[in-house]
Amino acid sequence: EDKVVQSPLSLVVHEGDTVTLNCSYEVTNFRSLLWYKQEKKAPTFLFMLTSSGIEKKSGRLSSILDKKELFSILNITATQTGDSAVYLCAVSTSYGKLTFGQGTILTVHP
Amino acid sequence: EAQVTQNPRYLITVTGKKLTVTCSQNMNHEYMSWYRQDPGLGLRQIYYSMNVEVTDKGDVPEGYKVSRKEKRNFPLILESPSPNQTSLYFCASRSEGSGGAGNEQFFGPGTRLTVL
Repeated sequence: EDKVVQSPLSLVVHEGDTVTLNCSYEVTNFRSLLWYKQEKKAPTFLFMLTSSGIEKKSGRLSSILDKKELFSILNITATQTGDSAVYLCAVSTSYGKLTFGQGTILTVHP
Repeated sequence: EAQVTQNPRYLITVTGKKLTVTCSQNMNHEYMSWYRQDPGLGLRQIYYSMNVEVTDKGDVPEGYKVSRKEKRNFPLILESPSPNQTSLYFCASRSEGSGGAGNEQFFGPGTRLTVL
């Protein structure tokens, strides 16, 4: 059975802090790992990672994948209140299945 | 505008009354999928379709049916809804891209279903 586990489940920080969100996985026929941000609506895409060791960056957010150790991290530097959301990690397999983790609830206080 | 649309957005129904939630995308995507989202359980895949006339079960297919007769539409059918199917449902689509890795998945706005 494919499994994706995120940690921590919940995180509360103050503006300006740096956070690291974790995602580990066990799947058959890995194809890609995706990060999404979900506020009070549909998830929005952040990153797709397919290769180990190559950092993807978008503004204050960055992510990297380790295919040997089967995990990924999502870093957010200089957090802002607008970063408060649920961050979802998902793993896609070659036959089309997409398995999501439970999500990490990030709360950023002013 | 490129988008995934779902209808209805909100639905309250009673146990056993058949219903269909429609999903349509205008991006010519090969892949479409349905998810349900429940507190503490995250998003779970119900069914997915790699292309027209090809559908496969996800992690929680029991109690649901789908069809993919046309590329743009992927309706979700609940033949006999039960209260444990009360949930927030998302449809999504993506192109398959080159290199076999797939691409970003676009989500519809969600359908909040309550079964009494």
